[in-house]
Amino acid sequence: NAGVTQTPKFQVLKTGQSMTLQCAQDMNHNSMYWYRQDPGMGLRLIYYSASEGTTDKGEVPNGYNVSRLNKREFSLRLESAAPSQTSVYFCASRTSSSGTDTQYFGPGTRLTVL
Amino acid sequence: SQQGEEDPQALSIQEGENATMNCSYKTSINNLQWYRQNSGRGLVHLILIRSNEREKHSGRLRVTLDTSKKSSSLLITASRAADTASYFCATERDSSYKLIFGSGTRLLVRP
Repeated sequence: NAGVTQTPKFQVLKTGQSMTLQCAQDMNHNSMYWYRQDPGMGLRLIYYSASEGTTDKGEVPNGYNVSRLNKREFSLRLESAAPSQTSVYFCASRTSSSGTDTQYFGPGTRLTVL
Repeated sequence: SQQGEEDPQALSIQEGENATMNCSYKTSINNLQWYRQNSGRGLVHLILIRSNEREKHSGRLRVTLDTSKKSSSLLITASRAADTASYFCATERDSSYKLIFGSGTRLLVRP
């Protein structure tokens, strides 16, 4: 049981390049999330998927797209990377069972855009 | 903008002392959660308190919630060097399952 996994762990991009961050969970959770964390700050929600087949914008969705490929996988795509997207990206998941509100986080992807 | 603001931003204490962190938020909530983040790692859930609860305990952790003041506090008793980490509060406002995080408190526990 690996929990939430993210690939890659590190990435350096040039301005204008595109890339996809991958996230997978093996806990059979319904909901999945993408956050970004800038230095010295808390996490900000980019996009989330409350259940398979649905996605919604969070606080800071501009410049990103997401795909909920199936129940396990939720990817985040940067179509044209900008230096302002340099950050650490975290994926999380949670079940929708009543009374279980904990989010489980992956280890993060450190992205630098030059 | 972030829902929660934490105070202090940084805290340095001696091993064995208690550490108290505070969180204030802006809107009504369903629950408030505290997470811990070790340097370079993902977040780990510590404790959740619902809007109709006032106090909750888990091991050396004690969380209080005052909905009239829109504030919460996390107390870590008998701190250990291994408690050194950043601590974040996060609020869930409704049934959307979205969490809004505060900016965090960096705790240093000196051996």
